[in-house]
Amino acid sequence: AQSVTQPDIHITVSEGASLELRCNYSYGATPYLFWYVQSPGQGLQLLLKYFSGDTLVQGIKGFEAEFKRSQSSFNLRKPSVHWSDAAEYFCAVVSGGSNYKLTFGKGTLLTVNP
Amino acid sequence: DSGVTQTPKHLITATGQRVTLRCSPRSGDLSVYWYQQSLDQGLQFLIQYYNGEERAKGNILERFSAQQFPDLHSELNLSSLELGDSALYFCASSTGNEQFFGPGTRLTVL
Repeated sequence: AQSVTQPDIHITVSEGASLELRCNYSYGATPYLFWYVQSPGQGLQLLLKYFSGDTLVQGIKGFEAEFKRSQSSFNLRKPSVHWSDAAEYFCAVVSGGSNYKLTFGKGTLLTVNP
Repeated sequence: DSGVTQTPKHLITATGQRVTLRCSPRSGDLSVYWYQQSLDQGLQFLIQYYNGEERAKGNILERFSAQQFPDLHSELNLSSLELGDSALYFCASSTGNEQFFGPGTRLTVL
């Protein structure tokens, strides 16, 4: 069965600093990969997705992620973090086939210091 | 706004009770998914419906059931509630392989 690991439970960065959130997946075939963000008390918003093609994908709010098959990773990056980016971030993989259920990592909580 | 609506926003009930959570998918989406988010288990897939039929089951307890109606809205029924059922329940809808999430229903079992 597929699984997703987010090694960092909590990350703190200063506003304006760069950010990288790690995600590793375990899946036999080519995965469909996603990053979602959840602000306090809110639902999940899709930041970006990878299905195939270019391994560097651009998302909303200035985020990007790079798919590296050799490392089974899909890390999320942002060059300069804003205070409004403070939230919890979830990496997810889709099982594919006729059922597109998402398997999520445990999430990384991002704190942004002024 | 994802276009997916969920009601109610909050629900407080007692152990042993039964509740129904409602989800209206985005216009045109045939698939509805239910997820549970709890502190100890994280985000877990419960069940998927596609155009009124059950398509896939995840870690859904036997005390829980769901259905999707002809107008494509879905309901998740939780019965014989236990303290451990307290969680945030999300509904998502999709047409392809991208899911759009509703704001969730926070269930508190006292």
